Amino acid sequence: NAGVTQTPKFRVLKTGQSMTLLCAQDMNHEYMYWYRQDPGMGLRLIHYSVGEGTTAKGEVPDGYNVSRLKKQNFLLGLESAAPSQTSVYFCASSYSRSSYEQFFGPGTRLTVL
Amino acid sequence: QQPVQSPQAVILREGEDAVINCSSSKALYSVHWYRQKHGEAPVFLMILLKGGEQKGHEKISASFNEKKQQSSLYLTASQLSYSGTYFCGSNSGGSNYKLTFGKGTLLTVNP
Repeated sequence: NAGVTQTPKFRVLKTGQSMTLLCAQDMNHEYMYWYRQDPGMGLRLIHYSVGEGTTAKGEVPDGYNVSRLKKQNFLLGLESAAPSQTSVYFCASSYSRSSYEQFFGPGTRLTVL
Repeated sequence: QQPVQSPQAVILREGEDAVINCSSSKALYSVHWYRQKHGEAPVFLMILLKGGEQKGHEKISASFNEKKQQSSLYLTASQLSYSGTYFCGSNSGGSNYKLTFGKGTLLTVNP
């Protein structure tokens, strides 16, 4: 039981490049989330999904897209990376509504030059 | 809108107590508490639901005052392992599946 895994762990991009972050969970959770964490800002929700094939915007969705084609996977895409997207990205999942705890992945540290 | 946590940082000696507060401008259905150690992922501590329940986790407990839209985390007889950043996450219920996290409180426990 691996829990929540994220790929890659580290990445350096140049401005304008694109990339996809992969999140996978093996707990059969319905809900999945993408957060970004910047110093002094806490965790801010980018996008989330309440089930396979569904996605919704969070607090800071601009510049990101997501897809949830399979229940266990949640992909976060950056179409044209900008230095402002330098951050640590965490994926999380939960069994059901927000009354259940969220399990976090180990994070992806992204630097955009 | 992010809930407001206070204090921003606190330094303790091992064995001392601390209280971390979390206030929201919105009506709350639930409050979550997480702890994050440096370089690691946040880890769930507890959930408090509407109704003012007080929950415990070892020597860490919390309360939730829905009228005041506040939650407090109580760390008793702190241990070195309690060091980290504590985040509260608020949820306003209904069809809202999202948590909005505060900016965090950095807790340092020294020997």
